Amino acid sequence: NAGVTQTPKFQVLKTGQSMTLQCAQDMNHEYMSWYRQDPGMGLRLIHYSVGAGITDQGEVPNGYNVSRSTTEDFPLRLLSAAPSQTSVYFCASSFSRLAGIGGELFFGEGSRLTVL
Amino acid sequence: EDQVTQSPEALRLQEGESSSLNCSYTVSGLRGLFWYRQDPGKGPEFLFTLYSAGEEKEKERLKATLTKKESFLHITAPKPEDSATYLCAVQALPGNTGNQFYFGTGTSLTVIP
Repeated sequence: NAGVTQTPKFQVLKTGQSMTLQCAQDMNHEYMSWYRQDPGMGLRLIHYSVGAGITDQGEVPNGYNVSRSTTEDFPLRLLSAAPSQTSVYFCASSFSRLAGIGGELFFGEGSRLTVL
Repeated sequence: EDQVTQSPEALRLQEGESSSLNCSYTVSGLRGLFWYRQDPGKGPEFLFTLYSAGEEKEKERLKATLTKKESFLHITAPKPEDSATYLCAVQALPGNTGNQFYFGTGTSLTVIP
C-alpha cells in the first residue's frame, strides 16, 4: 500500500517556467489537497478537492492551478514560476473532509521546489 | 480570525525528562484538533484527533489533552527517537472558511541521550 505518492521530490526552475507536481493516492480517498510549507509559517492550503471533478481554492491559491479528473490523482500546476514559490509542497488526502473517523490527513513525502 | 499558536518553538530535553508542548487556538467553532509528527525531510504523520474539551488520547509516551482554548501534548520519559517537529492543526466548523485545516508552526523537539 503506497499511500500518497508525490513526484518529483526535488525540482529547480527558472523564473517564468511552468511545471506540474504530481500527486497520487491509492486509498480511495475522497478528499485531496495541496499545502506549501515555508520556514516560520505553518502549512498553508493552496487548493483542495472533495471528489473527482470538484476543486476549490484554499488560503494561497494565486499562481497555481489544479484539476481532479480521477479519484486517485490531483496534480498541481505552477503557471509561471516565481521566486516566491520556492517552498516545500505537500499533497495530503483524507477519507473524509470532516473531522472524525477518517478525517485525519495522510501526507506525501513532499516536493522541494526552488525557483531561481 | 481562526488561528493556531504553538509553544515553545524549540525544546531540548534530556532522555527521560518529561515535558509538555502547547497548542492554543481561536476558531469560531471547533470540529477537531489534530496532532502530527514530522521528521526532517518527511511529510507529517498523524498522531491524534481530539474533538471536545476534556478529551484525552494516549500513544506510547505521548498523551494529548484538550481544553476549550488549548491542547497539550505531554511527553513522558522521552527517548531520542521522539526527536521531531510536532504540529498542531485545527479544523473549524463549516462557515465562511469552509472545512480547512489550520496548522501551527510546530515545536521542534530534541531529546538528548
